[in-house]
Amino acid sequence: EDQVTQSPEALRLQEGESSSLNCSYTVSGLRGLFWYRQDPGKGPEFLFTLYSAGEEKEKERLKATLTKKESFLHITAPKPEDSATYLCAVQEAYSGAGSYQLTFGKGTKLSVIP
Amino acid sequence: DAGITQSPRHKVTETGTPVTLRCHQTENHRYMYWYRQDPGHGLRLIHYSYGVKDTDKGEVSDGYSVSRSKTEDFLLTLESATSSQTSVYFCAIRQGLYGYEQYFGPGTRLTVT
Repeated sequence: EDQVTQSPEALRLQEGESSSLNCSYTVSGLRGLFWYRQDPGKGPEFLFTLYSAGEEKEKERLKATLTKKESFLHITAPKPEDSATYLCAVQEAYSGAGSYQLTFGKGTKLSVIP
Repeated sequence: DAGITQSPRHKVTETGTPVTLRCHQTENHRYMYWYRQDPGHGLRLIHYSYGVKDTDKGEVSDGYSVSRSKTEDFLLTLESATSSQTSVYFCAIRQGLYGYEQYFGPGTRLTVT
C-alpha cells in the first residue's frame, strides 16, 4: 500500500478555472508534508512545508492546507505558466536515524489551457 | 538555487558497464541524497549521506553504491549497469538546521542499452 497517494493523476483546467489537488498519506507520525513543482526535464522545485493539521501556506496563486490525513493544493485562477507536475512528499517523525527521508507520491500533472 | 550540479546530464551506456554519476554542491550542506524517478513510481530514494564517509541505504539501493570523500561531492556508482537502471537520477540536499525540505539538482538521464 502506498504511503502517499495523489489525485487526480492528471488535471486539465481552463485559464482562470480554480481547482484543488489532493495528497492523502498514511504514515503513523508526520514530521512534515512537502509540496514540489516539477517542470519537464527539470528537478523538483520546493514550494511549501506543512507541519501540523490546520496549517496553511500561500504563494501567489497556490495555497496548501493540511489535515490529519491529507493535504490540498488549491490553485486560484490558474495561468498557463502554472502547468507542471505537482509532487507531494511526507517525512515520518521516525524516518530512520539521520535520514530525514522523504516519501513521494506519483504526482498530479496539471495542464492549464489558455 | 541550492548550488547543486550533476554530471553528466545525459549518458547512454551498455549493459554490464560501470557508470558513475556525480553530484556537486557549493554550500557545505551535510545531508545529500540520490533518487531515481521512473514513470508510475515517482521519486524513490537510493542512498543518502549524512556526512563525509557516512552513508546509508534507501528504498531501492540494490545494484548501487555511493561514496562521499568530500563534503561537496556525492558519487553514485552502478557497478554493472542493467536495463532496469535506465532512469532519471536526481541528487538532493537538505538545507539548514531546522528546515526539513530537500532541494534538488537538475537530474541525469541515464539510458542503459
